[in-house]
Amino acid sequence: DTAVSQTPKYLVTQMGNDKSIKCEQNLGHDTMYWYKQDSKKFLKIMFSYNNKELIINETVPNRFSPKSPDKAHLNLHINSLELGDSAVYFCASSHENTDTQYFGPGTRLTVL
Amino acid sequence: TQLLEQSPQFLSIQEGENLTVYCNSSSVFSSLQWYRQEPGEGPVLLVTVVTGGEVKKLKRLTFQFGDARKDSSLHITAAQPGDTGLYLCAGGGSQGNLIFGKGTKLSVKP
Repeated sequence: DTAVSQTPKYLVTQMGNDKSIKCEQNLGHDTMYWYKQDSKKFLKIMFSYNNKELIINETVPNRFSPKSPDKAHLNLHINSLELGDSAVYFCASSHENTDTQYFGPGTRLTVL
Repeated sequence: TQLLEQSPQFLSIQEGENLTVYCNSSSVFSSLQWYRQEPGEGPVLLVTVVTGGEVKKLKRLTFQFGDARKDSSLHITAAQPGDTGLYLCAGGGSQGNLIFGKGTKLSVKP
């Protein structure tokens, strides 16, 4: 059973397009996150959601928006994609107020 | 701003050698975690250290949390090719997120 899953695994798209990445966790966690890993493998938090409430929002462009239809899902929508958005995006989840996070397999986004 | 400095950035060794990876910060963390990431996959949690001075062992891996809870180390004894991967330390941020070090890319040659 996959604990944290993401789709798609790979996403290749043209500049200016709008795309979404889906994330689902079956761990019963109440907090979910999106991280961006750049070409140098540096992982940086983008968003976290707790019970449908955005609790942190780093300085990411407003072209990026997380959407959580329910506690088990946190999808990432990206509008007007730019070349610099190319990276690997990881979803993660955890219980509230714990540091232990479980990561999905990542989505490699390539913007042409 | 909480930062974690990880060293070395790259490490290439022969099978059977020992190695240590360091994770340092000027900030105090309530806990530090070590993750291992393989190509094409997400980070996988290895261990969480919580108490200053704590030492945890996971087979050939030994993790230590500094007394002041500002630093941690990962020591691998008799490294094997299967240990190859990206090792990441992470600390709990003030707003619930994880702050990651830049990682140590380990290559163990047979």
